[in-house]
Amino acid sequence: GQQVMQIPQYQHVQEGEDFTTYCNSSTTLSNIQWYKQRPGGHPVFLIQLVKSGEVKKQKRLTFQFGEAKKNSSLHITATQTTDVGTYFCAGKTQGGSEKLVFGKGMKLTVNP
Amino acid sequence: SAVISQKPSRDICQRGTSLTIQCQVDSQVTMMFWYRQQPGQSLTLIATANQGSEATYESGFVIDKFPISRPNLTFSTLTVSNMSPEDSSIYLCSVQRTVMNTEAFFGQGTRLTVV
Repeated sequence: GQQVMQIPQYQHVQEGEDFTTYCNSSTTLSNIQWYKQRPGGHPVFLIQLVKSGEVKKQKRLTFQFGEAKKNSSLHITATQTTDVGTYFCAGKTQGGSEKLVFGKGMKLTVNP
Repeated sequence: SAVISQKPSRDICQRGTSLTIQCQVDSQVTMMFWYRQQPGQSLTLIATANQGSEATYESGFVIDKFPISRPNLTFSTLTVSNMSPEDSSIYLCSVQRTVMNTEAFFGQGTRLTVV
């Protein structure tokens, strides 16, 4: 079945640093979504990417969808302590069901 | 967005008993899903709740263990039956407004501990 892999699984950064996390699917996706889950909270939708090569920005967060629609990246600039949490990517297969397949997540901790 | 009320928020249950979790949405939605999340882990889809018909279960999950109801477009329940300590987890309700609008909204989750 479809698999979505995220790397790295853990990321510890110094406040102010930049970093990138990656998401790779075993199949071509119709769209990819990113979610953030704060400790003790539930996943919250951040963004959806649909088009091949699409790039979207939300303040310090930059999301990119690969040309082949099988991978995606999230880049955070000038990391802040408020960025702490687990970031999940989730993909929807082309021509498949409506369900989302979630990656294992990337847990971000920030050293102030 | 969609506002989702999930109850209970947490419970401690005896093994062998059953717990029913409720998910109420503030407006009609097309898709409703139930997930399980172990602490620090990813989300595992249990099933898609279908209005007026049997839920669609993912591999490893069966109706006898996780019966699901969805009587209308705003409400669903998940029952965890004959519980064992291995069922201790967080259970999350999720909705998508329409087939085209695939952004997922999540309930607050139910933290279940089986003793």
